[in-house]
Amino acid sequence: GAVVSQHPSWVICKSGTSVKIECRSLDFQATTMFWYRQFPKQSLMLMATSNEGSKATYEQGVEKDKFLINHASLTLSTLTVTSAHPEDSSFYICSASDPGGLADQPQHFGDGTRLSIL
Amino acid sequence: GENVEQHPSTLSVQEGDSAVIKCTYSDSASNYFPWYKQELGKGPQLIIDIRSNVGEKKDQRIAVTLNKTAKHFSLHITETQPEDSAVYFCAASKHNQGGKLIFGQGTELSVKP
Repeated sequence: GAVVSQHPSWVICKSGTSVKIECRSLDFQATTMFWYRQFPKQSLMLMATSNEGSKATYEQGVEKDKFLINHASLTLSTLTVTSAHPEDSSFYICSASDPGGLADQPQHFGDGTRLSIL
Repeated sequence: GENVEQHPSTLSVQEGDSAVIKCTYSDSASNYFPWYKQELGKGPQLIIDIRSNVGEKKDQRIAVTLNKTAKHFSLHITETQPEDSAVYFCAASKHNQGGKLIFGQGTELSVKP
């Protein structure tokens, strides 16, 4: 149980394009999803917290207009990197928890999306 | 805010030996402490967690201990196997932070056959 699917697993695109990453909870309802960014050999950096039906909460320093997050259903959240540039290249990982937002409920992670901007 | 420190950053052990990874946290209000294993190119996988009302938890070869007074918690892996080689992350969260996890820096564990 508690499977989180992330798609695509790998994407290469030209500078200036927008890229959408999907995160789905397959066997549970995820009221809260989290989006992370991870650089090589580093820890996970939380970008934003996404609650179903409401606006995402972004961490300090994360550009809301650059990283658009939508959590329209209890099983799907999307992250859109708008007008991507080479510095946006990274490993993006989502996680989901149910019930959402409680401190002692496990977060289950997707397998990440490796984004490369040329 | 909360800060989680993890040590060591790298750890190499012989197959069959034990491995211990330690984390300290700064916020005494933190009450949930999960451990994740991340293999190359994959997302983190929850391997064990502990809540603040418990001092120790064990699951087969893996155990976690929590010392609330000292604000530190540790992961213990016994009888290590080559497939235990991965990066391990500790994390902490507290009740009024919406489930947000604060991660340690990670430990790269290498188990040599």
